[in-house]
Amino acid sequence: AQSVTQLDSQVPVFEEAPVELRCNYSSSVSVYLFWYVQYPNQGLQLLLKYLSGSTLVKSINGFEAEFNKSQTSFHLRKPSVHISDTAEYFCAGGYQKVTFGTGTKLQVIP
Amino acid sequence: GAVVSQHPSRVICKSGTSVKIECRSLDFQATTMFWYRQFPKQSLMLMATSNEGSKATYEQGVEKDKFLINHASLTLSTLTVTSAHPEDSSFYICSARVPGLEGEQYFGPGTRLTVT
Repeated sequence: AQSVTQLDSQVPVFEEAPVELRCNYSSSVSVYLFWYVQYPNQGLQLLLKYLSGSTLVKSINGFEAEFNKSQTSFHLRKPSVHISDTAEYFCAGGYQKVTFGTGTKLQVIP
Repeated sequence: GAVVSQHPSRVICKSGTSVKIECRSLDFQATTMFWYRQFPKQSLMLMATSNEGSKATYEQGVEKDKFLINHASLTLSTLTVTSAHPEDSSFYICSARVPGLEGEQYFGPGTRLTVT
């Protein structure tokens, strides 16, 4: 069965500190991988995606994720977080059907 | 960018009544739309795949007679929760696939359904 695992349900981090949100996928998930962000009381927004090519993908607001085939991981990183990054982040994988992880709440502490 | 809207954003209904939720793609045509349900502190659960002009494909365990899906046009899919019960209270989210953008889905803002 397809599965996407997010190991941390909550990640508190101080403002301007680096953060890594972990995501692992099962090998049965086709290698289209996504990170979505959900701000409070809003729908999901695509943050970044990996389809093929360069294993390092970046978003416009400073996040990046690296596709690691050997470790079946697609961790999300940001070198310096801002208060406005406080949200829930979902890792997802698949093409015809997208499977979502359980989400990680990023709490940025002033 | 592609925009998907949902209406209503919040709805409260009495047990036994039916509620219709609309999902619209505003600036593109979507042959395929998806309906998800999100429980508190949990991930999105795919309920069904809605294809324009044909019957929806339901995921295992989702009652097709309870959650009626109609994808009558390339920009509109509706989800009707029939004979709603308190356990149907949830956050319902739709998404649409943009033709030509591999695997990528654009999500609506969601509808919070509360059944009293």
